[in-house]
Amino acid sequence: QKEVEQDPGPLSVPEGAIVSLNCTYSNSAFQYFMWYRQYSRKGPELLMYTYSSGNKEDGRFTAQVDKSSKYISLFIRDSQPSDSATYLCAMSRGNAGNMLTFGGGTRLMVKP
Amino acid sequence: GAVVSQHPSRVICKSGTSVKIECRSLDFQATTMFWYRQFPKQSLMLMATSNEGSKATYEQGVEKDKFLINHASLTLSTLTVTSAHPEDSSFYICSAQDSSTDTQYFGPGTRLTVL
Repeated sequence: QKEVEQDPGPLSVPEGAIVSLNCTYSNSAFQYFMWYRQYSRKGPELLMYTYSSGNKEDGRFTAQVDKSSKYISLFIRDSQPSDSATYLCAMSRGNAGNMLTFGGGTRLMVKP
Repeated sequence: GAVVSQHPSRVICKSGTSVKIECRSLDFQATTMFWYRQFPKQSLMLMATSNEGSKATYEQGVEKDKFLINHASLTLSTLTVTSAHPEDSSFYICSAQDSSTDTQYFGPGTRLTVL
């Protein structure tokens, strides 16, 4: 079993829809949780990072962490075609910059 | 956000040659940099952790004599793929940890093709 599980998709939604992306994990030692967006043939771009349980909002993006369930989510409101990319969750045991364990990524397609 | 650059962005080489990839943090100092490789439609696989002024720490299964890592300054780490073979063809991505915020930022990646 992988430490971090993420549905690979693809997830196809119409423009304007609310998108929900999720990851589950097995190691309770993870403390920092991140979401990265990766366009094809590009490096990952940090979208959100959170510490421990709770919600964090930044523009159209909301990250949620539920440590009791070992479950994290990323919500995208008013999705745009430009949001079409692969979304990777990542987590670490220490501070936000320590070695990251990645999910496999979910490919999102937002259709105009 | 912080900027991390990689050079070259793409390289094609013959089997048996060595290839050097540079990773630079442009507007922050990075005591720690990480090197990943990514195969098509797969997630990132950590190869090694590079600490400025010390030897890199390699993940299990990664040959340290084949993938030479040097982190000579707080803004530069290099990965040299020695005696490259076609199976080394992959997308190599570095990330740099901003020491002031402990946040990890990724470079744009280098696509290596070994003929």
